[in-house]
Amino acid sequence: GAVVSQHPSRVICKSGTSVKIECRSLDFQATTMFWYRQFPKQSLMLMATSNEGSKATYEQGVEKDKFLINHASLTLSTLTVTSAHPEDSSFYICSAVNPGEGNQPQHFGDGTRLSIL
Amino acid sequence: GQNIDQPTEMTATEGAIVQINCTYQTSGFNGLFWYQQHAGEAPTFLSYNVLDGLEEKGRFSSFLSRSKGYSYLLLKELQMKDSASYLCAPMDSNYQLIWGAGTKLIIKP
Repeated sequence: GAVVSQHPSRVICKSGTSVKIECRSLDFQATTMFWYRQFPKQSLMLMATSNEGSKATYEQGVEKDKFLINHASLTLSTLTVTSAHPEDSSFYICSAVNPGEGNQPQHFGDGTRLSIL
Repeated sequence: GQNIDQPTEMTATEGAIVQINCTYQTSGFNGLFWYQQHAGEAPTFLSYNVLDGLEEKGRFSSFLSRSKGYSYLLLKELQMKDSASYLCAPMDSNYQLIWGAGTKLIIKP
């Protein structure tokens, strides 16, 4: 149980393109999902916390107009990187908490490797 | 502030035992998680401790001392596939996980 699916796994696109990443909880309902970014050999950096039916909570320094988050249902959150530039190239990972699990670990999707040319 | 201290890299031999230590400082505490992350992949959940003591799960065990702000992950009967980064992630009073850079474990035959 507690499977999180993230799609696509890899994106290569030109500068200025907007990229949409989907995160789905497959066998549970996730009221809260998290979006992280990870640069090579660095720690996970929380970008935002996505709550179903309400606006996402962004971490300091993360531009909400650039990284649009939508959590329209209990099983789906999307992150859209608008007008992506080479500096946005990174590994983007989502996670979700299963409220039914006692200790509520975050279960991660497989990640999306974004490369902006 | 909040911070996590783990060794950057460790090396061990296949079949042996290795202990990865973690000390932490957080604003409040709601348990500590250990995750495994293979290169280029997302983290996978290994263990969770909220009370002091040892939690055993197969070849992996995790220990917590809240008063010392200390945890360790013990890996037994090491296999080559255990080569990965191991992330110690305490949860603060806001139920947010605090992430460090992790410990890269290299297993040699």
